[in-house]
Amino acid sequence: DSGVTQTPKHLITATGQRVTLRCSPRSGDLSVYWYQQSLDQGLQFLIQYYNGEERAKGNILERFSAQQFPDLHSELNLSSLELGDSALYFCASSVDLYVSGNTIYFGEGSWLTVV
Amino acid sequence: QKEVEQDPGPLSVPEGAIVSLNCTYSNSAFQYFMWYRQYSRKGPELLMYTYSSGNKEDGRFTAQVDKSSKYISLFIRDSQPSDSATYLCASRGNQFYFGTGTSLTVIP
Repeated sequence: DSGVTQTPKHLITATGQRVTLRCSPRSGDLSVYWYQQSLDQGLQFLIQYYNGEERAKGNILERFSAQQFPDLHSELNLSSLELGDSALYFCASSVDLYVSGNTIYFGEGSWLTVV
Repeated sequence: QKEVEQDPGPLSVPEGAIVSLNCTYSNSAFQYFMWYRQYSRKGPELLMYTYSSGNKEDGRFTAQVDKSSKYISLFIRDSQPSDSATYLCASRGNQFYFGTGTSLTVIP
């Protein structure tokens, strides 16, 4: 158990709908990262938050947004869903990117199926 | 050029074999290197973490970094069917950069 908690584990929704994925980082971790992993694809970095503020953006679509709350949990909002958005969405956390010895720990993922 | 590149495989070996998984990275400033293991539809779990050059051993696993050639390797000795998974290499610069993963199957 990495200590990173993601909910829901699975969800099925229709095209055009909106979903929210939730992540609780490891205790003490200030940074939260979101990744997308499609079938047989590598991890695609979406976005990073540090202590409530957006720190880095990757290949995140405009239909997707995220935020990190004062209690450090994070939510990833996916809207106007398309079939191609079906994927595993991982949340990961770390203490701070620049702390020596720091590394990143992943949750178990939220499996999204768009039908 | 991607920051971290990895041969996707797949790699299939008999039980007991020595497995060698390899990655290259592009930025000579990278100092921290990681290997993650990912079982099907599960979250990647941290397997090994190394700093700078040299070897690090943990049980049957050895991580090796050669900064002169910007090469990262993971060796698995006495491979087991339970080692069948996708292995991701990663490096840390101003972000975490991941390889695409190598799929490994260990045949009993």
